[in-house]
Amino acid sequence: EAGVTQFPSHSVIEKGQTVTLRCDPISGHDNLYWYRRVMGKEIKFLLHFVKESKQDESGMPNNRFLAERTGGTYSTLKVQPAELEDSGVYFCASSQDRGSSPNTGELFFGEGSRLTVL
Amino acid sequence: QKEVEQDPGPLSVPEGAIVSLNCTYSNSAFQYFMWYRQYSRKGPELLMYTYSSGNKEDGRFTAQVDKSSKYISLFIRDSQPSDSATYLCATVSGGYNKLIFGAGTRLAVHP
Repeated sequence: EAGVTQFPSHSVIEKGQTVTLRCDPISGHDNLYWYRRVMGKEIKFLLHFVKESKQDESGMPNNRFLAERTGGTYSTLKVQPAELEDSGVYFCASSQDRGSSPNTGELFFGEGSRLTVL
Repeated sequence: QKEVEQDPGPLSVPEGAIVSLNCTYSNSAFQYFMWYRQYSRKGPELLMYTYSSGNKEDGRFTAQVDKSSKYISLFIRDSQPSDSATYLCATVSGGYNKLIFGAGTRLAVHP
């Protein structure tokens, strides 16, 4: 079974440009999450989709970030315009809806997309 | 104050050593605690999780939670070079797997 896949693995752009990151979750996983780790900091939650709906986007830093999950399958995270402080590793994760046990934290992470803004 | 504090290390030990990794957390309402392992250039993978206080053992790994002191520990017995990775403690805020991570401790086990 394929895991969570992310593309690109590394992107280098200049300040002010646009970048779109893509995530393909594990097939059948309704829950999709974006997290990111900026240099020297902890991995932090950005947002959570349940199918195509945004369940929680409280971690999105500002309106330069736009996440979509059309059709409830893959997701994209667009940064427009990118700023220097957006550099970091963006992780996507997915999980099955575990019904009565939603809080067990069994997320499956992708390898991350490394973003460098110059 | 950070919600989850973790010493980033690095920690270097010889093969066969017992490793102790630790975190503290600030909110007594947290109930679920996880340890993730992250190899270089890879995503975190769930190693163990525990609910509330107590111990949980899985092979060479033991996770321990002390809610009275808000302390989380991971013990690795008979450490191997393949255990060299970054270990992240985490807890859940609210529902649906919204994780709060510690900074991660980088562990190197040398032969």
